Amino acid sequence: TQLLEQSPQFLSIQEGENLTVYCNSSSVFSSLQWYRQEPGEGPVLLVTVVTGGEVKKLKRLTFQFGDARKDSSLHITAAQTGDTGLYLCAGRTDYKLSFGAGTTVTVRA
Amino acid sequence: NAGVTQTPKFRILKIGQSMTLQCTQDMNHNYMYWYRQDPGMGLKLIYYSVGAGITDKGEVPNGYNVSRSTTEDFPLRLELAAPSQTSVYFCASSYPLSYEQYFGPGTRLTVT
Repeated sequence: TQLLEQSPQFLSIQEGENLTVYCNSSSVFSSLQWYRQEPGEGPVLLVTVVTGGEVKKLKRLTFQFGDARKDSSLHITAAQTGDTGLYLCAGRTDYKLSFGAGTTVTVRA
Repeated sequence: NAGVTQTPKFRILKIGQSMTLQCTQDMNHNYMYWYRQDPGMGLKLIYYSVGAGITDKGEVPNGYNVSRSTTEDFPLRLELAAPSQTSVYFCASSYPLSYEQYFGPGTRLTVT
């Protein structure tokens, strides 16, 4: 059983379209992180959100942490082929992270 | 800085064999972690360490052992390999206050 549920599991879109990935849990987290992983490599941190209701923007990526600190979303505007990858959310409790199963995003040229 | 390095990159083991997966970081991070990643399952925490000489079990520790004699190194030991241990293994490290984890490139292990 996953502590963090991500949806959708797979997402395939055309270059230039927008997309949103969701990360939901019944647990409260101290912070929530988003990672992106490319085939054959380890995950790379994109962002950490800490405060309930927090919104962070990194160029075309917008991350939101739910008011109750149980859920988060990642929105990509005008997706590019370089955005293709596995997106993982991870919630922190104490010293540890609990990861969702991930959303595989494919951006077609 | 090399960051987090893992060796080997690939390995095939026979059932019952033993091996050690090596992990080294050069960022002077106190915290280190071992995960396994199976298709569609995300990352599962095997063991973690908050400093040299201190280790603790994660979510899926059975069949594995760790040690942390230095800040830099955190090897993972498989004593009696089983097919269920076929997976991709990632080592990660982080600073104590940020908890933002830096991952190695992974070891793909197949047990047959």
